[in-house]
Amino acid sequence: SQQGEEDPQALSIQEGENATMNCSYKTSINNLQWYRQNSGRGLVHLILIRSNEREKHSGRLRVTLDTSKKSSSLLITASRAADTASYFCATAYAPAGNMLTFGGGTRLMVKP
Amino acid sequence: NAGVTQTPKFQVLKTGQSMTLQCAQDMNHEYMSWYRQDPGMGLRLIHYSVGAGITDQGEVPNGYNVSRSTTEDFPLRLLSAAPSQTSVYFCASSYSIFGSQETQYFGPGTRLLVL
Repeated sequence: SQQGEEDPQALSIQEGENATMNCSYKTSINNLQWYRQNSGRGLVHLILIRSNEREKHSGRLRVTLDTSKKSSSLLITASRAADTASYFCATAYAPAGNMLTFGGGTRLMVKP
Repeated sequence: NAGVTQTPKFQVLKTGQSMTLQCAQDMNHEYMSWYRQDPGMGLRLIHYSVGAGITDQGEVPNGYNVSRSTTEDFPLRLLSAAPSQTSVYFCASSYSIFGSQETQYFGPGTRLLVL
């Protein structure tokens, strides 16, 4: 079973609005990563947040991590049509060895 | 740098055929991995490697073999293709032997259809 699960599975918003995606996971982790995938393409790394960090920013992206709730959120502010993509969280945790496991993703559509 | 390259981009196989999906990286990365992505789903790890001569199984290794004879190349072999192996296959690499803890660099993927 997948370690991380994203919520919602799909999200549709207007350009300029903020988009929030959530990721829940099952066991303790070393870090959590967020990736974007445009249709038919490979994944692109967005942000990595370590288990001892609570918040991280990169441009219009803000990621939070709550290890007590085993959850993370990705906020995209002032969304653009070009943000339309699928977003995945991925977790690495010691019991799984040197493996990174991905959630099922959130499909974001930003309407112009 | 070309980054992570994969060939072929698309392949059609008949059930029972074998083939090798190629993956190469020119970033001198130690950690390389293979994932499959089924429609509307996330990625599932097939095999990974932390360096030349070292490979290990991921979540879904059955039906696949890998080898790592050089740092640059990490081919994935389908021994006897089955329709259940119809998927998009992604290769990824990261810098060190602790690759799961680091940014992954993905190839463009290989779409495989098994009839």
